[in-house]
Amino acid sequence: DAGVIQSPRHEVTEMGQEVTLRCKPISGHDYLFWYRQTMMRGLELLIYFNNNVPIDDSGMPEDRFSAKMPNASFSTLKIQPSEPRDSAVYFCASSQTGDSNQPQHFGDGTRLSIL
Amino acid sequence: GDSVTQMEGPVTLSEEAFLTINCTYTATGYPSLFWYVQYPGEGLQLLLKATKADDKGSNKGFEATYRKETTSFHLEKGSVQVSDSAVYFCALSDNTGGFKTIFGAGTRLFVKA
Repeated sequence: DAGVIQSPRHEVTEMGQEVTLRCKPISGHDYLFWYRQTMMRGLELLIYFNNNVPIDDSGMPEDRFSAKMPNASFSTLKIQPSEPRDSAVYFCASSQTGDSNQPQHFGDGTRLSIL
Repeated sequence: GDSVTQMEGPVTLSEEAFLTINCTYTATGYPSLFWYVQYPGEGLQLLLKATKADDKGSNKGFEATYRKETTSFHLEKGSVQVSDSAVYFCALSDNTGGFKTIFGAGTRLFVKA
């Protein structure tokens, strides 16, 4: 079975540009999560969706960040305008249900560098 | 609030050495506990889990026991290999008052041949 698929794997762009990260969760998974990983702050939950509806976006750092899930098989995380401090690895993960015993399945991440 | 604390790394071992990575947690409810592993350039992947007190999770020679009395979930392996070099994350998932998963800071393991 295909896992969580993220694109692009790497993105390098100049500050001020719009960045869009994409995620395809595992089919049949009801929950989708966006994380950011940095050396300084570790793994941070940005936002999560249940059945395509955003449930908790309290981790989204600023209004420059937005996330959407137009259907069960696709989600985007957008940064506009981007800044150098947004440089990080962004992970998408999905889980089958919201039960606490369900693990999350992670994609391989998008390594974002803002110059 | 809920939290996970794991030992700081990096941990450097020789091949075939015994591994312990300590993990303790605080939680208001009855969480499930997980260990995830992250290899270079990849996302986190589930290594093992335990869903209730005294459960032992195991996979690929790794094991961890859910100890409610000491609020711990230490990861152990009897004989590490070079291929075990990775970052290991302890995590808890507790749906009391809403869905949430809390990850520890991660412990980097280097295994030398």
